[in-house]
Amino acid sequence: QVQLVQSGAEVKKPGSSMTVSCKAYGGIFSTFTFNWVRQAPGQGLEWMGGIISLSGTRNYAPEFQDRVAFTTDSSTNTTYMELSSLRSDDTAFYYCTGRAGRYLTPFDWWGQGTLVAVSS
Amino acid sequence: SSELTQDPAVSVALGQTVRITCQGDSLRRFSANWYRQKPGQAPVLVMYGKNMRPSGIPDRFSGSSSENTASLTITGPQAEDEADYYCSSRDSSGNLVLFGGGTKLTVL
Repeated sequence: QVQLVQSGAEVKKPGSSMTVSCKAYGGIFSTFTFNWVRQAPGQGLEWMGGIISLSGTRNYAPEFQDRVAFTTDSSTNTTYMELSSLRSDDTAFYYCTGRAGRYLTPFDWWGQGTLVAVSS
Repeated sequence: SSELTQDPAVSVALGQTVRITCQGDSLRRFSANWYRQKPGQAPVLVMYGKNMRPSGIPDRFSGSSSENTASLTITGPQAEDEADYYCSSRDSSGNLVLFGGGTKLTVL
């Protein structure tokens, strides 16, 4: 079983950027597909996009396409999500998800979540 | 289509059977995946593809699909099954992932 461990909670200013990391333990990192899902307080799940390591393909939810970036670092088995031009409504838990292979879904493994609060 | 619709809340008595549904045009083409989220925890995959259960998910959970509706059925739910359940699938293009709004399951 693969374990995903995310970076810790952050507080950000409006207009700034944030980066959340997600380190994978177990399995073969280069074969993994990672997706990012966020959840505003008391709200439902929202898919942001993902990266398929085997092909390098990135998929983006239209709402985030212009200000999100997904990267991977196979030397540290870590994947990253950067979100720019932060607004107060970006305050949410951000979850890293993963699976083996080149398909985008389902989301087999989940990180513990990272709370990012955007406030002036 | 870009929407998956779930009932906001469902309740069931201990030992009965409950069906949680998810509707959307893209379900005619793509299978639904189901996630369970308990308060303060990350979601967990409980059903995927055509009625496939991940390791560790009890066999009281089953999935089905017909036309534009996918269902997650819990036969004889336990108290620990009380949680929010989210369906997920692709949009009609297959390139995007959608989530339903979630169903809060209460076990009475």
